[in-house]
Amino acid sequence: SQTIHQWPATLVQPVGSPLSLECTVEGTSNPNLYWYRQAAGRGLQLLFYSVGIGQISSEVPQNLSASRPQDRQFILSSKKLLLSDSGFYLCVKREGTGELFFGEGSRLTVL
Amino acid sequence: AQSVTQPDIHITVSEGASLELRCNYSYGATPYLFWYVQSPGQGLQLLLKYFSGDTLVQGIKGFEAEFKRSQSSFNLRKPSVHWSDAAEYFCAVGAGNQFYFGTGTSLTVIP
Repeated sequence: SQTIHQWPATLVQPVGSPLSLECTVEGTSNPNLYWYRQAAGRGLQLLFYSVGIGQISSEVPQNLSASRPQDRQFILSSKKLLLSDSGFYLCVKREGTGELFFGEGSRLTVL
Repeated sequence: AQSVTQPDIHITVSEGASLELRCNYSYGATPYLFWYVQSPGQGLQLLLKYFSGDTLVQGIKGFEAEFKRSQSSFNLRKPSVHWSDAAEYFCAVGAGNQFYFGTGTSLTVIP
């Protein structure tokens, strides 16, 4: 199974509030996991990736952080949201073949 | 640093006409190359991928792409476009553990 569960699907948060987006995946163990943000006209921006439990690589210095507490769990967090954090966040899993599988996304609106 | 460029933000073609979407990448070695399509309100769907071997790859829905190492390009083509092909198309590059996406090309198909 390539199922990727993301929640919440939609979130509206005030500026300065915390954030936690969760992603769980099914299928093979120890997958590579990714967080992307999709914005209109900017494509998909790689935010973080993880090759294993507790291993996080950040691509873009910013207000967000990621954690991988379990093999199939990947969490995107923020202590204080900014307006610029608004966007569509995708959790992505890479299979051994190199192919990517996408979650259904979480739309975050920061007001 | 790795990068993916899709120079055409928006393309309009007539139904039945041929299509070529451009993609250029910057990476020191031969990367994994992908094309994804995203229809309005839908997730990303893999059209085709190149890992090695034959530089002309066939994908779903009648699409094909050609890897040209000398030009660092991976252009997507279709000989005859259908109205249902209207969507956003993303080129992606896999470099090591990271995957980078272009900013996308929006395709409009006119009858």
